[in-house]
Amino acid sequence: EVQLVESGGGLVQPGGSLRLSCAASGFTFNIYSMSWVRQAPGKGLEWVSYISGSSGTKYYADSVKGRFTISRDNAKNSLYLQMNSLRDEDTAVYYCARDGRGSYRDWFDPWGQGTLVTVSS
Amino acid sequence: EIVLTQSPGTLSMSPGERATLSCRASQIFSSTYLVWYQQKPGQAPRLLIYDASSRAAGTPDRFSGSGSGTDFTLTISRLEPEDFAVYYCQQYGTLPRTFGQGTKVEIK
Repeated sequence: EVQLVESGGGLVQPGGSLRLSCAASGFTFNIYSMSWVRQAPGKGLEWVSYISGSSGTKYYADSVKGRFTISRDNAKNSLYLQMNSLRDEDTAVYYCARDGRGSYRDWFDPWGQGTLVTVSS
Repeated sequence: EIVLTQSPGTLSMSPGERATLSCRASQIFSSTYLVWYQQKPGQAPRLLIYDASSRAAGTPDRFSGSGSGTDFTLTISRLEPEDFAVYYCQQYGTLPRTFGQGTKVEIK
């Protein structure tokens, strides 16, 4: 069974940093691209970042470019999101999602259960 | 950036009725690179339809997707109690990949 389990969320002050992790199991992790998608409380979904299987290609939403860094460790079947200079508007549930085996032209399936990041003083 | 507009925002329906959800794109994007997700309270989204009209594994056949260009539709032929949820469309033809704002299907 394909499983994605996020961790690392919590309460952080504006301007602070947080590192999210996503542990993957049940599939050949290194051949799949991965993404982070977030959802502000009571709001819709927003794609945040993408990384290819080899880590050779990375994309970011304009809203997080220069502040967030996506990475992965294929030996550990793990995906990460380093979030710096956090703002109030970054408050959201962050989902890890499996992407496709090729380019960004693919869908998210499955999704993890999400981890809540709250940015507040 | 492609903006996806879903309508209506809320659909009040009774079990057994047919539901039609719309997703309109601000510009044409490549092929039929559109998916539909279902999200229930407290849960992660679940893939229902990919490539605009192909059902994902485990998606009941009462769900169907159609459309191309800028207009796409998700149809639920006969609503079951477990279908009351929020539905999102998402395009993956261009970056950034974008979502519609969602349509909530609620029990009337």
